Amino acid sequence: QVQLQESGPGLVKPSQTLSLTCTVSGGSFRSNNFYWSWIRQPAGKGLEWIGRVYASGTTSYNPSLRSRVTISLDTSTIQFSLKLTSVTAADTAVYYCARDRVSELGSLVFDSWGQGTLVTVSS
Amino acid sequence: DIQMTQSPSSLSASVGDRVTITCQASHDISNSLNWYQQKPGEAPKLLIYDASNLETGVPSRFSGSGSETSFTFTIGSLQPEDFATYFCHQYDNLPPTFGPGTKVDVK
Repeated sequence: QVQLQESGPGLVKPSQTLSLTCTVSGGSFRSNNFYWSWIRQPAGKGLEWIGRVYASGTTSYNPSLRSRVTISLDTSTIQFSLKLTSVTAADTAVYYCARDRVSELGSLVFDSWGQGTLVTVSS
Repeated sequence: DIQMTQSPSSLSASVGDRVTITCQASHDISNSLNWYQQKPGEAPKLLIYDASNLETGVPSRFSGSGSETSFTFTIGSLQPEDFATYFCHQYDNLPPTFGPGTKVDVK
């Protein structure tokens, strides 16, 4: 059973870069049946997809964040990471990493999630 | 982006009640609609995928239906552990988007 765990600083100063890592255990990291996503949730608000990376390294990003986001993976360490530049208070949120599974219909579902990590942007 | 709306935004119910939540998509998403449960301080948990398929290990009191732009999520008989917030989610088009959530609390 796959498990995901986020790690990284809980406090980032405005204008700096937010960096998080997701460690995957339990297999499937190199499988072609999965993507690996970052999703965030500001306190008391809904979920926002940030972007994803495929086993090949191909990425897709939310257009609303594309200019500031980089997602990459490291198959040797079984981790994928998120970098979000030029952060503001609006980027304060719980950040989740998740696995995207290809369903029988060929669409995607987030079937496994990390526990989430709160990142606060403040000076 | 495809906009997802849910109704109601919250509801109060009792153990044993039948609970129904609706989700509307701004464009046709075929059956690419998923439902998640989230409890305070926890990550979302996948319950239903492809509009009506029950995720492995999820109790059968949860069900989903619908297609194109209109979807329904039902809890057949509400249990104490079901008080939570429920989100719909489309992954038919990038970017994937979520509904605002429906909070189910104790009547």
